Amino acid sequence: GQQLNQSPQSMFIQEGEDVSMNCTSSSIFNTWLWYKQDPGEGPVLLIALYKAGELTSNGRLTAQFGITRKDSFLNISASIPSDVGIYFCAGQLGSGGGADGLTFGKGTHLIIQP
Amino acid sequence: KAGVTQTPRYLIKTRGQQVTLSCSPISGHRSVSWYQQTPGQGLQFLFEYFSETQRNKGNFPGRFSGRQFSNSRSEMNVSTLELGDSALYLCASSRASGTFSYEQYFGPGTRLTVT
Repeated sequence: GQQLNQSPQSMFIQEGEDVSMNCTSSSIFNTWLWYKQDPGEGPVLLIALYKAGELTSNGRLTAQFGITRKDSFLNISASIPSDVGIYFCAGQLGSGGGADGLTFGKGTHLIIQP
Repeated sequence: KAGVTQTPRYLIKTRGQQVTLSCSPISGHRSVSWYQQTPGQGLQFLFEYFSETQRNKGNFPGRFSGRQFSNSRSEMNVSTLELGDSALYLCASSRASGTFSYEQYFGPGTRLTVT
């Protein structure tokens, strides 16, 4: 089946630093989604990408849909304490109408040292 | 607009019992998907319902089942619980049609502990 390799597994950074994480897949996806999950909560959608090569920003977050459709990256600029959490990439085939099951990466645990 | 709600938030059951979890999607969303999250396996897709029909299914045994009602609310059932079923069960809803139909929004989850 499909697998998503997300890296790094964890990051220890200083407040104010930029962060970069990425996901690669053995299969093509038509949609890439990035989520953030805080302890005890469900994942929150950060950015959705629909076209190969697409670059999308949401505040200090920027994500790109790889040209090969098998990868995506997420950048966070000027990190702040509330950025702490686990970030997940998710891919979706999205063929036809509606929502197919998302395939998730294992997550990147972001820890920020003040 | 209210988000996805799930009840109950926490549940403790004994091995061999069955359990039913409930999910109310965002108003106007017609698709509901269920996921299991564990430390070892991460987030895994269980199934997706649209217009009261199961459209997609992940790789889980038949003990895991679900249904969707005409108001798009969904329930998930696990029969003959095993210790390994202890997990956070997440429900996600999406519009399932039109622009941004593939964006799935998650509820807070139900933490199931099987003893």
